[in-house]
Amino acid sequence: VQMTQSPSYLAASPGESVSISCKASKSISNNLAWYQEKPGKANKLLIHSGSTLQSGTPSRFSGSGSGTDFTLTIRSLESEDFAVYYCQQYNEYPRTFGGGTKLELK
Amino acid sequence: EVQLVESGGGLVQPGRSLKLSCLASGFTFSNYGMNWIRQAPGKGLEWVASISSSSSYIYYADTVKGRFTISRDNAKNTLYLQMTSLRSEDTALYYCARGTRYFDFWGPGTMVTVSS
Repeated sequence: VQMTQSPSYLAASPGESVSISCKASKSISNNLAWYQEKPGKANKLLIHSGSTLQSGTPSRFSGSGSGTDFTLTIRSLESEDFAVYYCQQYNEYPRTFGGGTKLELK
Repeated sequence: EVQLVESGGGLVQPGRSLKLSCLASGFTFSNYGMNWIRQAPGKGLEWVASISSSSSYIYYADTVKGRFTISRDNAKNTLYLQMTSLRSEDTALYYCARGTRYFDFWGPGTMVTVSS
């Protein structure tokens, strides 16, 4: 299953809201996870099952979608949110990731 | 506290072998599926291999099938990745990660550089 994320780069300011899209090449039900990558820190699972927040994920993060189209939304951006975000499907093997979205400070 | 610490990376010549290890602590290792995931310099994440809790189920990416072997020793709380016939395109930061479907804990990674 090919996972296509967009945009690849996103510039925003603290306090703004942003959305990242992830599209699967075929239906994956809700078997989708979102991760955050930051330099010097272990990759962090944010959301699984399309919309279930992992323990410890701030409520300003939300996930939606099922089938082939998914969205990660971050409301009221905080400085710690500027990072790279990846989606990943686990409906079948091989597990596949999206290409990543770099969220930068405007 | 869940901890995963990879080791064994380094510089290796093309065609040679290398074995990575991932020492787990802070959870019952034998209850969880485990994975290797890699990231080439400046690139995104690529899943490499998965192994179930009892080693009954093993899966590989096509890019490494036949060259890499994932294994585990539950008595030692350790996950392994034996890499053979290494190629320049295997150069990457290799992470171990916990989970059967999604990956809820990741290690910091160990760098593998394949170059002559």
